[in-house]
This record gives sequence, structure tokens and C-alpha cells, in this order.
Amino acid sequence: TQLLEQSPQFLSIQEGENLTVYCNSSSVFSSLQWYRQEPGEGPVLLVTVVTGGEVKKLKRLTFQFGDARKDSSLHITAAQPGDTGLYLCAGAVAGKSTFGDGTTLTVKP
Amino acid sequence: DTAVSQTPKYLVTQMGNDKSIKCEQNLGHDTMYWYKQDSKKFLKIMFSYNNKELIINETVPNRFSPKSPDKAHLNLHINSLELGDSAVYFCASSRVATGGNTIYFGEGSWLTVV
Repeated sequence: TQLLEQSPQFLSIQEGENLTVYCNSSSVFSSLQWYRQEPGEGPVLLVTVVTGGEVKKLKRLTFQFGDARKDSSLHITAAQPGDTGLYLCAGAVAGKSTFGDGTTLTVKP
Repeated sequence: DTAVSQTPKYLVTQMGNDKSIKCEQNLGHDTMYWYKQDSKKFLKIMFSYNNKELIINETVPNRFSPKSPDKAHLNLHINSLELGDSAVYFCASSRVATGGNTIYFGEGSWLTVV
């Protein structure tokens, strides 16, 4: 049973398009993180959200934590080929972080 | 300097062999981890150590034996390798053991068992 489900699993878009990926769970998290993993590398933290309803922006990336702290979304505006990678959410519960099953994003030039 | 470094990066070996992956972090963190990422990119925690003490063991077969000589090092030894052990193994560290802290990952070790 997967604690954190991400959707879509795969996404292939053209440069300049907007997209949203989702991270959903039935569990309440004390915090939620988003990581990006590029091919041949380890995941790298993008953001941590802590408060229900919190919105954080990182250049063209907007992260939102659900009001009930059970879900999160990542919106990318005007995607670029450099955004290509595996996006992983990770929820903190019971003192440890659990990763979602990932969204593989491909942005074509 | 690389914050979390693991060696080797690539490892191809035959079934039944024993192999080790070494990991070191220079961030001064108390907590280190081993994660396994399968072919579907699912990243699953295997072990977590805090100040050299095992705190998480996620039902990993006992063929996998982590060893932490000090809090900057966490090595992974695998006995009697099986085909299903083929995966990418990531070493990682965080400042403390509580969830929600930033996890710093190494570049991964690609293990292929033939």
C-alpha cells in the first residue's frame, strides 16, 4: 500500500506549457517536501511546506500544501527543458519521511 | 567537496556474490540512510542510523547488513546477491532523525546482478 500517491505518473509536454502534479494521501503530515531528481543523480530538495494551506513560490514553481495537510500540488509555469526530471513528494509522519511514487516530467524543446 | 559521497557508482556482479557500497557525509549530520530505488523509480527507505545507532530497519532481508563505524560513515554490505537486488542504492543524510528535515542524497550506486 502506497502512503503517498502522485499523479500523473508520467507527463510529457512542450516547452512553454504549464503543468500541475499532485501528491495525495489519506494521512496527515506534519510537513511535506518536494524533491527533483535528474537522470543519474540523487534527489535534491526543492521546498518544504509546513502549514495547511501554505503556498510557496520558487521562480516558476508554485507549491501548495492542502488545508488538511494530506495533499500537495506543484505547478510549473512556462516549463523549460531544464525542468525535466523525476519529481518526488515526501511526507513526514511518525518521525520519518516517506516518499511518493514519483512523477516523471519530460519537457520537449 | 561532495556532501554525500558513495562508491562505487556502478557495480555489475554475479548472483551469489557478496558486495559492499561505502558512504561518507561531510555535513556533520547525525542521521544517515540507505534507500533503494527500483526500476519504477520508487524510492524506499531501507535503513536509518542516528549517531551510529540503527533506528529504522524496513523489513530488509538480513542479507543486507549496514555498518556505521562513526556518524559520518554508513556502509552497506550485501551477501548472496540475487537478481532482484538490482537497483540504484542511495546513501543520504539529514541533520537530525525527525521527519521533515532536508535529506541530502548521494549520487547513487547502480547495482546490476547478472
